[in-house]
Order: sequence, then structure tokens, then C-alpha cells
Amino acid sequence: GAVVSQHPSWVICKSGTSVKIECRSLDFQATTMFWYRQFPKQSLMLMATSNEGSKATYEQGVEKDKFLINHASLTLSTLTVTSAHPEDSSFYICSARTGGSMRNEQFFGPGTRLTVL
Amino acid sequence: GDSVTQMEGPVTLSEEAFLTINCTYTATGYPSLFWYVQYPGEGLQLLLKATKADDKGSNKGFEATYRKETTSFHLEKGSVQVSDSAVYFCALSDTGNQFYFGTGTSLTVIP
Repeated sequence: GAVVSQHPSWVICKSGTSVKIECRSLDFQATTMFWYRQFPKQSLMLMATSNEGSKATYEQGVEKDKFLINHASLTLSTLTVTSAHPEDSSFYICSARTGGSMRNEQFFGPGTRLTVL
Repeated sequence: GDSVTQMEGPVTLSEEAFLTINCTYTATGYPSLFWYVQYPGEGLQLLLKATKADDKGSNKGFEATYRKETTSFHLEKGSVQVSDSAVYFCALSDTGNQFYFGTGTSLTVIP
């Protein structure tokens, strides 16, 4: 149980285009979803936290107009990288949290590798 | 604020060697502690966790004990295998809303 999927697993796009990444909780309802970014050989950096049906909360230094997050349902959150540039190339990982006894744990997706040419 | 300090790598061991990766934490409350493993090109997988002091998390031969007195959660394995080669992250979470990750320790096990 507690499986989180991401789609696509990797994407290559041209500079200036927008890319959408989906994060789904497959067998549970995610009250909160998180988006992280990981640079090569570095730790995860939290970008934003989203609760279903409300606006995402962005961490300091993360441009909310560039990284659009939508958490439309209890099982789906999307991250759209708008007008992508090569410096946006990174590994993006989402995670999801449920309630109850598992509320202190996050379940991570497999990640999406974005390469912007 | 809350934080995690993790032993820097990279770590290279021979197969069947003993592994220890140190992790210490700073927290204002009573956090849950985690070890995650990341294989090349993949996302994070939960390796083990402990939710309160003196708890021992274990999985796949790995162990870590939540030590409140030393604020530590060191990862150990008695005999590593080549397939254990990965990056290991120590993490804490106080409420589930905010996860604090260590910088990761790369482990390479050679035959």
C-alpha cells in the first residue's frame, strides 16, 4: 500500500516550452502533497506544499509563477514548469501524506527527470 | 530549527563489510526519524523508520535506533552486499508537514 506514481518518469523539452508533471497516490487519499527538487549529488529541496482544493504554499526562493502547482483531487497533484530554461533541468520528486496513524510519514514518488535543451 | 546532520561520503566498502552511517538531529519537538535509500536514477524509498525514543527500525538487514540522549539515528548493517550500493538519506519529521533531509551519503560496495 501507499504507492505514489509520477508521470512522466523523464522528459526532454526545448527552452521556452512548458512541462507538466503528474503525481498520483494510487491506493490512498493524499490530504497533502509535496514537491521537491534534487540537484545532482545533493539532497532534496522542498519547493512547495499543496493541500487538496487550496493554493500551494511555496518555500522561500521558489517562483510560484514559474512552478505552477495544482492539487485538484485527493489523488492527483500536478507541477507545471512554465517557460522552462536549461537551469530548470533537475530531478523533481513528489510525495504524499495521508492522515490518521500515517500522518507523520510521506510516501515518495519515483521522480521525474527534466532536461531542458 | 529542526535539522539533520549526516556523515559525508562517499563511502566505499568491500562486500560483507560492516556499515555505519552516522546521523544526528536537532529538533524542538519529538520527531519521527527515517532512513531513505535512493538507487541510481530512482526516487526515494523508505528503508526504515522509528517514531519514538529507543525504537529500533529495521529492514533488509539494516538497523537504526532512535537515541534521544545522543540525538542520533545511526544506520548499520552487519554485512553489506553489492546491491546495497546507493545513496542513503537520513530525515526527520515533526508533524509530517515538513521533512528535513540530510545531505545524503553515497555508498559503493565492491565485490
